[in-house]
Amino acid sequence: AQSVTQPDIHITVSEGASLELRCNYSYGATPYLFWYVQSPGQGLQLLLKYFSGDTLVQGIKGFEAEFKRSQSSFNLRKPSVHWSDAAEYFCAVGPSNFGNEKLTFGTGTRLTIIP
Amino acid sequence: GAVVSQHPSRVICKSGTSVKIECRSLDFQATTMFWYRQFPKKSLMLMATSNEGSKATYEQGVEKDKFLINHASLTLSTLTVTSAHPEDSSFYICSARDPRANYGYTFGSGTRLTVV
Repeated sequence: AQSVTQPDIHITVSEGASLELRCNYSYGATPYLFWYVQSPGQGLQLLLKYFSGDTLVQGIKGFEAEFKRSQSSFNLRKPSVHWSDAAEYFCAVGPSNFGNEKLTFGTGTRLTIIP
Repeated sequence: GAVVSQHPSRVICKSGTSVKIECRSLDFQATTMFWYRQFPKKSLMLMATSNEGSKATYEQGVEKDKFLINHASLTLSTLTVTSAHPEDSSFYICSARDPRANYGYTFGSGTRLTVV
């Protein structure tokens, strides 16, 4: 069965500092990988996704993620965080056969930004 | 871009009553919609997959008689929590699949249900 692990429940970063959120997955085949962001009391917004090709993926709001097959990881990064980045971040994995597109989510990482 | 509207955003109901949550795709036709439940400080748990014109497919452990899902049109799916109890209090989120894009999910803004 597929699973996603986000080892960090809560991360605090100073505004302007760099950020890396970790995500590890377990999947029997090549997965499709996603990062979503959720502001308090809101739904989820897609930051970026990886299907194939270049393993470094650029997303919205200045985020990027790198797929490392050997480490089963898909970590999210941002060079300089802004106060508006404070939110909950979810990594997700899905099967690569379109038509059966159920996502499995990690438990999320809450990001706090301090001035 | 694709927009999904979820209503209401908050609802408080008394134990034993039923409450309906609507999920609408505003600018695309969603043949498939998903309903999730999110517990505090927890991930999203998929409850069911809703396909237009057919019965919903429920995940293991989800009571289909308690959580009634209807996908009557290509733009509307509803989740009805029947005979609600305090333990049903949660944040419910829908997601609609835009068939024009692979993995084209768009999420609603969620519904906070409180059962008193």
